[in-house]
Amino acid sequence: DIQMTQSPSFLSASVGDRVTINCKASQNINRYLNWYQQKLGEAPKLLIYNANSLQTGIPSRFSGSGSGTDFTLTISSLQPEDVATYFCLQHNSWPYTFGAGTKLELK
Amino acid sequence: QVQLKETGPGLVQPTQTLSITCTVSGFSLTSYYMQWVRQTPGKGLEWMGFIRSGGSTEYNSEFKSRLSISRDTSKNQVFLKMNSLKTEDTGVYYCARDGDSDFDYWGQGVMVTVSS
Repeated sequence: DIQMTQSPSFLSASVGDRVTINCKASQNINRYLNWYQQKLGEAPKLLIYNANSLQTGIPSRFSGSGSGTDFTLTISSLQPEDVATYFCLQHNSWPYTFGAGTKLELK
Repeated sequence: QVQLKETGPGLVQPTQTLSITCTVSGFSLTSYYMQWVRQTPGKGLEWMGFIRSGGSTEYNSEFKSRLSISRDTSKNQVFLKMNSLKTEDTGVYYCARDGDSDFDYWGQGVMVTVSS
């Protein structure tokens, strides 16, 4: 199985900060990586698919980069509504696997 | 508007069978794969399996022996059944649509507690 190592587990940042979250795959997953935002009690929301494609309706302050084994989610200017848990998903090969999540809070 | 909603029993006894229904609207089950994912305290998010738009299924080998995914297209419903439940199966169970972007829409999830 492909292991997804996500970092950091916890992140505290201020409004306006640039925030980066990383996922590292244990083997090549090409660009088959998605990023999600999950708020308490809500359904996970797709932000970025296939490493760097912005899902329709998602603010442009969210972006994704990477390929192969190393991927990054960037929030260019943190907003209060971005407080949430973020996780990655590799859908290159079965079994699909997830990162452990990053809990983002405001400083 | 795409919507997915999971419904389930809430509490299940050990060794019993879990049954969860995912009711969808805004799209057709004959056009999209449907995924099941769970989130447990012990293992985090785990992919469980999916049913293809044509009705065939694939399962994570972790669950293969005790998991079944099926659907009723006339009712816009997808079903998860898992037997021989253990306390470690306690968690939130999600269905998700596998669209153009893969896992593009998710339900809110249903909490399942396995306890006697």
